[in-house]
Amino acid sequence: DTGVSQDPRHKITKRGQNVTFRCDPISEHNRLYWYRQTLGQGPEFLTYFQNEAQLEKSRLLSDRFSAERPKGSFSTLEIQRTEQGDSAMYLCASSSALLRYEQYFGPGTRLTVT
Amino acid sequence: DQQVKQNSPSLSVQEGRISILNCDYTNSMFDYFLWYKKYPAEGPTFLISISSIKDKNEDGRFTVFLNKSAKHLSLHIVPSQPGDSAVYFCASYTNAGKSTFGDGTTLTVKP
Repeated sequence: DTGVSQDPRHKITKRGQNVTFRCDPISEHNRLYWYRQTLGQGPEFLTYFQNEAQLEKSRLLSDRFSAERPKGSFSTLEIQRTEQGDSAMYLCASSSALLRYEQYFGPGTRLTVT
Repeated sequence: DQQVKQNSPSLSVQEGRISILNCDYTNSMFDYFLWYKKYPAEGPTFLISISSIKDKNEDGRFTVFLNKSAKHLSLHIVPSQPGDSAVYFCASYTNAGKSTFGDGTTLTVKP
């Protein structure tokens, strides 16, 4: 069990550019979640996949954000036309079907938009 | 929408004593509540959970209490150890897959 991995760990981009983050969940986990966390706050739910199906999406997720999990394994989160307000830590988590509420988090991708 | 509040940003206790971390929520639309622990530069780590139909769950030094009438839960750590020093988040979870986190409480356990 190698845990949840995320790539890259850090990303600096200029406003208006597109960025894509990758998450590799624990291999036997069929549920995958994306969160955003800013300084001094708790993780904020963005979206949830069960296998390849995106079943829940936050109203806070603007049209500039899109997530995919094409084969029910790894997932990507893309942010188009980045804004300074997108600067945050982006966390991925996964859980099993049996213990669906017990989420295992990756180390996160820190995005800085300049 | 569910709101989860952790009203104490920080807590300091002496090693060996009890740490009590508190959390309030606004509605009963959840299936579980979880506590996570977070160290700097790492993602949150699952600590303990409680089902919406229970009022207590215990795992070693950690006990979570759920008071549904007061919409309040608490995490008790006994005895506290310096390695417990971290940020603690409470979070609700629905079987639809959505979680709502509080803003965290920083626990410092002094040797």
